[in-house]
Amino acid sequence: DADVTQTPRNRITKTGKRIMLECSQTKGHDRMYWYRQDPGLGLQLIYYSFDVKDINKGEISDGYSVSRQAQAKFSLSLESAIPNQTALYFCATSEQGADNEQFFGPGTRLTVL
Amino acid sequence: SQELEQSPQSLIVQEGKNLTINCTSSKTLYGLYWYKQKYGEGLIFLMMLQKGGEEKSHEKITAKLDEKKQQSSLHITASQPSHAGIYLCGADGTGTASKLTFGTGTRLQVTL
Repeated sequence: DADVTQTPRNRITKTGKRIMLECSQTKGHDRMYWYRQDPGLGLQLIYYSFDVKDINKGEISDGYSVSRQAQAKFSLSLESAIPNQTALYFCATSEQGADNEQFFGPGTRLTVL
Repeated sequence: SQELEQSPQSLIVQEGKNLTINCTSSKTLYGLYWYKQKYGEGLIFLMMLQKGGEEKSHEKITAKLDEKKQQSSLHITASQPSHAGIYLCGADGTGTASKLTFGTGTRLQVTL
């Protein structure tokens, strides 16, 4: 079984709809992240969380919100989706410490029409 | 904020050839991570470099960190079709790995 899972894997929605992307991990990591990837722009950090009570904005948090329901679960919401939020979304986890890599989920491809 | 520039943006090489991808940071590097992504899929961790002059290898992939130049290079020897994908570098600009900044990626194609 995958250590970091994301649901759904693909989603097509309409402008103005509320969308939730979910991430679960079995690695026991405290840190969790949400990124979006657009062609030619690499990965951009949306939000990150270092534990259940800690939520931090990343580079591009406008239009997004998150919820850390438990150590293993970190959800990303688009309150009112717009077409320029069409992208590939990744969840990642890591242990605390300065030399720990991030482990990525398989991604969610979101299309907003 | 820290920015990472990768070069080249894309690369097509013939199977068996060597290649190098570079990642240059606008600020001090406390840690440099290399990832590989197959098209439309998640990122797979390759290796991490922390100290100036450090060099690590995994199978036919070698990465080096030049701390003074704020640069890292990824070298693939005798490329194979399985090496095809997008290579991304990620940098820790704080020393705590609290969050990473990623480059825009290098798209590698390996032809037969």
